[in-house]
Amino acid sequence: GAVVSQHPSRVICKSGTSVKIECRSLDFQATTMFWYRQFPKQSLMLMATSNEGSKATYEQGVEKDKFLINHASLTLSTLTVTSAHPEDSSFYICSAKREGNTEAFFGQGTRLTVV
Amino acid sequence: AQSVSQHNHHVILSEAASLELGCNYSYGGTVNLFWYVQYPGQHLQLLLKYFSGDPLVKGIKGFEAEFIKSKFSFNLRKPSVQWSDTAEYFCAVISYNTDKLIFGTGTRLQVFP
Repeated sequence: GAVVSQHPSRVICKSGTSVKIECRSLDFQATTMFWYRQFPKQSLMLMATSNEGSKATYEQGVEKDKFLINHASLTLSTLTVTSAHPEDSSFYICSAKREGNTEAFFGQGTRLTVV
Repeated sequence: AQSVSQHNHHVILSEAASLELGCNYSYGGTVNLFWYVQYPGQHLQLLLKYFSGDPLVKGIKGFEAEFIKSKFSFNLRKPSVQWSDTAEYFCAVISYNTDKLIFGTGTRLQVFP
């Protein structure tokens, strides 16, 4: 299967700072990328869907100014958590898919802890 | 709005027991359906998928799922579970129209020897 690499796997940051998480498709062109948030022992909550070269589509309740998503190339999408607060601490997972009727592949996730 | 329901939140079985996990989705359009597994401390892995054709799909590790369009269901089954099947199982749906991959709430499976 295709490989999606997410970096960093863990990050600890101070409250008020910004953190950038990268999601790369290593061996395929990802026209669509998804960003999820997973709380402990809960399911994946879709935060936003991004298509290469266009603005991300955010789900209801997700602050677009706080969670900045950029999908500038077919192999890279970034999620920037701006002015992070302790309640932003969570597990963030990205997923990528090729164009059309295909499955999505997942990154290994990023554990963000805001102190 | 598109949604996915998994009615079994926590399932406890003994080894060799049969397993069936329910999954229902709300979207009426054309969809693709998936089951993912998340083993403790690991990231999501695809168990199986349905795009079209035979509604009974077979996946890895002896799992299978049946798509019943009239019931908007995609239940996961395994005839005989093993201790190593202990994990979190997620049903997911992506619709052609929205192109959003939405997950169910997940089912935690515990298998005891």
